[in-house]
Amino acid sequence: AQTVTQSQPEMSVQEAETVTLSCTYDTSENNYYLFWYKQPPSRQMILVIRQEAYKQQNATENRFSVNFQKAAKSFSLKISDSQLGDTAMYFCAFMSNAGGTSYGKLTFGQGTILTVHP
Amino acid sequence: KAGVTQTPRYLIKTRGQQVTLSCSPISGHRSVSWYQQTPGQGLQFLFEYFSETQRNKGNFPGRFSGRQFSNSRSEMNVSTLELGDSALYLCASSFGREVVDGYTFGSGTRLTVV
Repeated sequence: AQTVTQSQPEMSVQEAETVTLSCTYDTSENNYYLFWYKQPPSRQMILVIRQEAYKQQNATENRFSVNFQKAAKSFSLKISDSQLGDTAMYFCAFMSNAGGTSYGKLTFGQGTILTVHP
Repeated sequence: KAGVTQTPRYLIKTRGQQVTLSCSPISGHRSVSWYQQTPGQGLQFLFEYFSETQRNKGNFPGRFSGRQFSNSRSEMNVSTLELGDSALYLCASSFGREVVDGYTFGSGTRLTVV
């Protein structure tokens, strides 16, 4: 079974600064996807960024980028130029591409609460 | 385009009752997954449906069930409610067989069992 670990329960950053959220995972598979989701107080989980394991290039989406280290099974999220609207719970998630018992199943970490201060 | 719609947003039920939650996916999405979110256990996968078929199921008791209709709308049912079933229930939809764009989530149904 896959596991996802986020070792930082809470993080804080000043507006306009950069912050990095950590995520490690454990799997024996070679073909999978990794995601970062954001959950603001409105409760809706919003996809921030995704990474296919077979791609070596790190994904980027505007101010959000990842550092994907497949051998180390590490998938950290860097938020540049932090904004007040980035305040939320951030979840790292894993999904296998093996089908079968992996269909539709995201395995989430415990989350990191990020607070951006003005 | 419309997002994933979950109804109702809030629900209060008494222990022993049953409850049905609804999820309408994004138009064209055929896969619907359900998750339970609690402070203690975090986000846990309940089940996934694709084209009216349950393809995957998490480790929940048989009191938790679901179904998907021909228009891809999905419902989940919890029978004989227990206090521990109090949680935020989230559904998520995707096009299906390939995880290309990730899953899009609804805003959830907050269930409180008293």
